[in-house]
Amino acid sequence: DAGVIQSPRHEVTEMGQEVTLRCKPISGHDYLFWYRQTMMRGLELLIYFNNNVPIDDSGMPEDRFSAKMPNASFSTLKIQPSEPRDSAVYFCASSLGGTGGQETQYFGPGTRLLVL
Amino acid sequence: QKEVEQNSGPLSVPEGAIASLNCTYSDRVSQSFFWYRQYSGKSPELIMSIYSNGDKEDGRFTAQLNKASQYVSLLIRDSQPSDSATYLCAVKRGDTGRRALTFGSGTRLQVQP
Repeated sequence: DAGVIQSPRHEVTEMGQEVTLRCKPISGHDYLFWYRQTMMRGLELLIYFNNNVPIDDSGMPEDRFSAKMPNASFSTLKIQPSEPRDSAVYFCASSLGGTGGQETQYFGPGTRLLVL
Repeated sequence: QKEVEQNSGPLSVPEGAIASLNCTYSDRVSQSFFWYRQYSGKSPELIMSIYSNGDKEDGRFTAQLNKASQYVSLLIRDSQPSDSATYLCAVKRGDTGRRALTFGSGTRLQVQP
C-alpha cells in the first residue's frame, strides 16, 4: 500500500491567497484526520471524518479554514484567506474503524506551508 | 494545565543505555495511549500502544501505564543513535466512538555514540 498521500509537499504563498491541501487516505480506512504542527503549539487535531462525514471540527481555528471529504479516497483542507500565522506543517492521517490495533493512525508525509 | 504533558528535553543518553520517556495526562476518562516517534522533518510513526495498566513489551521498547497516577512511560533498552528523534505521547478519551488523539509536545531524545 502506498500509505497516506498528501499534496503538495511544500507550499509557499502570500498572505490573502487561498491555499488548498489534499489528502488521499489508505484504501479501506474509515477515518481521516487533519492535524497541524507548529513549534509553539505542537501537533493539534483540526478535524476528523468518519465515512466521509465530519465528526469533530472543534479544532478548526476559525472560519478561514474549511475541510471536505467528497468521497472515501479524497479530502481537502482549504484556507481562505491565508495569514502568516497559518504557516505550519499540515498532516493528514487515516485509520481503520475498529478498536485496539485497528485504531492506529497512519500519518502522511505532511505539507509544509509558508505564508509570507 | 495541559491535557498531555511531556518534558521537552533534550534527553541525552549514551549508546546502549536505557532511555526513559515520561508522560502525564489530565483526563481520567482516557483509555487508549500511544507513543509515536518523529524524526526531524518527517511524519509521526506509531511505536507502541497500550490500553491496560502494567507493562507492554515489543522488542527494545516497553510501554508502562498507570491509570491511577495518570502516567504513561516508554522505555527504550539498548538505545541506538538511530533512536534519536522526538517521541510524542498521545491519549484518546474513552468516549464511545470518539477517535480524536491529544498529543503532548514531545520529548527530544539524543543517543550519543
